[in-house]
Amino acid sequence: GQQLNQSPQSMFIQEGEDVSMNCTSSSIFNTWLWYKQEPGEGPVLLIALYKAGELTSNGRLTAQFGITRKDSFLNISASIPSDVGIYFCAGLQGAQKLVFGQGTRLTINP
Amino acid sequence: ETGVTQSPTHLIKTRGQQVTLRCSSQSGHNTVSWYQQALGQGPQFIFQYYREEENGRGNFPPRFSGLQFPNYSSELNVNALELDDSALYLCASSPPDRWDTEAFFGQGTRLTVV
Repeated sequence: GQQLNQSPQSMFIQEGEDVSMNCTSSSIFNTWLWYKQEPGEGPVLLIALYKAGELTSNGRLTAQFGITRKDSFLNISASIPSDVGIYFCAGLQGAQKLVFGQGTRLTINP
Repeated sequence: ETGVTQSPTHLIKTRGQQVTLRCSSQSGHNTVSWYQQALGQGPQFIFQYYREEENGRGNFPPRFSGLQFPNYSSELNVNALELDDSALYLCASSPPDRWDTEAFFGQGTRLTVV
């Protein structure tokens, strides 16, 4: 099925470092969302973006909705151990359907 | 306020069998969506239910079917199970008209088909 292209697939960083991941699509989306999933849990919404060019922050997280509406990035500043998990981007297609990327697995070395 | 709960948490079935997965939506949420998440992949949209009617469907065969009840809880049924149906099945509920930004996911049901 259709998925967004998310990169990198995995990241291994030191605690305190900044993180950047991005998501691209061949299709236009009017809403972009970023989720985090931890083992044994469902995805949890981190940030929602509604307008092309929009830059939104949630604590140490910052995300931007690309001008072309075909891409988005998520930055995490000053990473801490609890940031470990899998981060997914998702685009809203039509009125009901979320299309997800394949995820970026973040591992942090203390 | 209770969140989205799914049952069972884990399930093992044999190829060809049928399975029913259950989801209790969060209080006040009338929209329920189901997703399939294969290992190492992002979730894939199966279908959505709103006011007890199917309100959108992804690229899944008819042997995947669902129901929504008057209390907004939902079931996902899969007939004639195949090995590739092994996955984490996620349910998400959301309040009226806010499903995209207030969709809360349950912890999922891990289905293994052998």
